[in-house]
Amino acid sequence: EVQLVDSGGGLVQPGGSLRLSCAASGFTFSSYWMHWVRQAPGKGLVWVSRINSDGSNTIYADSVKGRFTISRDNAKNTVYLQMNSLRAEDTAVYYCARDYCTDGSCYFDSWGQGTLVTVSS
Amino acid sequence: SFELTQPPSVSVSPGQTASITCSGDKLGDKYACWYQQKPGQSPVLVIYQNNKRPSRVPERFSASSSGNTATLTISGTQAMDEADYYCQAWDSSTVVFGGGTKLTVL
Repeated sequence: EVQLVDSGGGLVQPGGSLRLSCAASGFTFSSYWMHWVRQAPGKGLVWVSRINSDGSNTIYADSVKGRFTISRDNAKNTVYLQMNSLRAEDTAVYYCARDYCTDGSCYFDSWGQGTLVTVSS
Repeated sequence: SFELTQPPSVSVSPGQTASITCSGDKLGDKYACWYQQKPGQSPVLVIYQNNKRPSRVPERFSASSSGNTATLTISGTQAMDEADYYCQAWDSSTVVFGGGTKLTVL
């Protein structure tokens, strides 16, 4: 069974840093692209970042570019999101998601349970 | 930048058909998918590749896409279908979600 477990959230002051982790199991982690998606309280889903299967290529939403870094450790079956220079507007539940592709179509077929990040003084 | 627009809310009576639209420039040229999210839970994929259902998703969920609009249809809507629904597509190398639609079954 595919399982994604998000962790690392918490309360952090504006300008601070936090590292989120997503531990994967039940599939060949090194074969899949992975993403982070966030959801502010009471708001919709917003895509944050993506990393390819070997970690050599990453891409970010404009709102986090230059502040967030996605990475992965395929030996540990874990994807990370390093968040620096945090702002109040980064407050959200952060989900990792697996990118599954078939017949030229890619979508998120598995999601973590989410981890809450609160940026506040 | 590419945007997907959904109605904020849709209401349906139990047993009736609910339709949720998702609009974006030339969306029909891309693959759309749909997620269901219930309060306090993670999103769950209900439609992929415009109109395909994962095996665990009930047959009452269907979808189509053409032109600038993708549509999620729930036939014989049940109380358990009350949730937020999000469409999603790729634009170049980035992922775009619609703003979400709250489906109320009343």
